[in-house]
Amino acid sequence: GNSVTQMEGPVTLSEEAFLTINCTYTATGYPSLFWYVQYPGEGLQLLLKATKADDKGSNKGFEATYRKETTSFHLEKGSVQVSDSAVYFCALNTGNQFYFGTGTSLTVIP
Amino acid sequence: DVKVTQSSRYLVKRTGEKVFLECVQDMDHENMFWYRQDPGLGLRLIYFSYDVKMKEKGDIPEGYSVSREKKERFSLILESASTNQTSMYLCASREAAAETQYFGPGTRLLVL
Repeated sequence: GNSVTQMEGPVTLSEEAFLTINCTYTATGYPSLFWYVQYPGEGLQLLLKATKADDKGSNKGFEATYRKETTSFHLEKGSVQVSDSAVYFCALNTGNQFYFGTGTSLTVIP
Repeated sequence: DVKVTQSSRYLVKRTGEKVFLECVQDMDHENMFWYRQDPGLGLRLIYFSYDVKMKEKGDIPEGYSVSREKKERFSLILESASTNQTSMYLCASREAAAETQYFGPGTRLLVL
């Protein structure tokens, strides 16, 4: 079946620290992969996506590379800010349906 | 900008009540979705709709029904609310040929 596994949180980092949130997936076929972000009190927003193997999605300093050989789509940012505090969801789309990970809460402290 | 709105941000209901959660999108999207979000479980798909008057069950449809009488509106109905339906409910929409879903702000439902 299709599923997404992402690292459990919560994650707490100091401002300007390096961020990695791990995400691996199981899917039939060739899914597209996504990272969504949910700021406090809001719905999910698309952060970045990649539609095929070796694609790199990037936005707002965040990056993730679609690695078919390791079935992974890890989220990284070189220097986090307090405003990055949010819950991050990894997701895959098989064409008709999205499958979401359980979410990783990130808190960045000044 | 795409806008997806949900009728309530917070809702408190009693066990056995019939509950309506409304979702409206303003971008003429064909597809609409209802998810529930629970700690440690992420988002789980309840129902989705590809077009007006069409509906498909998601992964956890039990205890829910939906209505899509107009393209812009997708309603989630809890026929007889139970305490295990206390959750955050998220609506989303997307164009038929696109991959990106756009989410509403969510409705936090408490069933007492």
